[in-house]
Amino acid sequence: QVQLQESGPGLLKPSETLSLTCTVSDGSISHYYWSWIRQPPGKGLEYIGYIYNRGTTNYKPSLMSRVTISIDTSKSQFSLKLNSVTAADTAVYYCARGGQDDDRGRLDYWGQGALVTVSS
Amino acid sequence: DIQMTQSPSSLSASVGDSVTITCRASQSLNNYLNWYQQKPGEAPKLLIYTASSLQSGVPSTFSGSGSGTDFTLTISSLQPEDFATYYCQQSYSPPFTFGPGTKVDI
Repeated sequence: QVQLQESGPGLLKPSETLSLTCTVSDGSISHYYWSWIRQPPGKGLEYIGYIYNRGTTNYKPSLMSRVTISIDTSKSQFSLKLNSVTAADTAVYYCARGGQDDDRGRLDYWGQGALVTVSS
Repeated sequence: DIQMTQSPSSLSASVGDSVTITCRASQSLNNYLNWYQQKPGEAPKLLIYTASSLQSGVPSTFSGSGSGTDFTLTISSLQPEDFATYYCQQSYSPPFTFGPGTKVDI
């Protein structure tokens, strides 16, 4: 069974860059779509974007100017970078596995989540 | 972006009850509609995909139906472990937006 694990700093100052990595346990990274989702404390889920094997990406339009998702298949990892963070970016960040070609957004495996707090 | 709404936003129920949650999309989803369960402090868990397919390992007390823009999640006999928040999500067109959630409590 595939396992996903987020890692990265948990505390940032405003204007810094959020950087998280998700490690995929079973070597399947080349065959699926991989997504990032976030959840502000006490609120609902917000879809950030996805990446596929050779670097095909799609981002939520309102975040597009600040977000980059990348992939390193040799390390079975994919990453999220979010520039110029503010307090509004404080959230639990989840990585998740999407489907294959016909259902990229079906998220069947999730990481445990990483809390990122933005505070001066 | 496709907008997703859910109703009700919360409901109170008892063990053994049948509950139904409704999800509506701002445009047709060609049945690319998923349901997730989230318990406090945990990641969401996929329950139903493509509107009515039960994810492996999920009890058959969960079922999904609907098409086009209107979908429902039904829990036929509520168990103590089913008290949680439920989210619908469209996977028809990126970004794959979520509904605001429905909290099911006692």
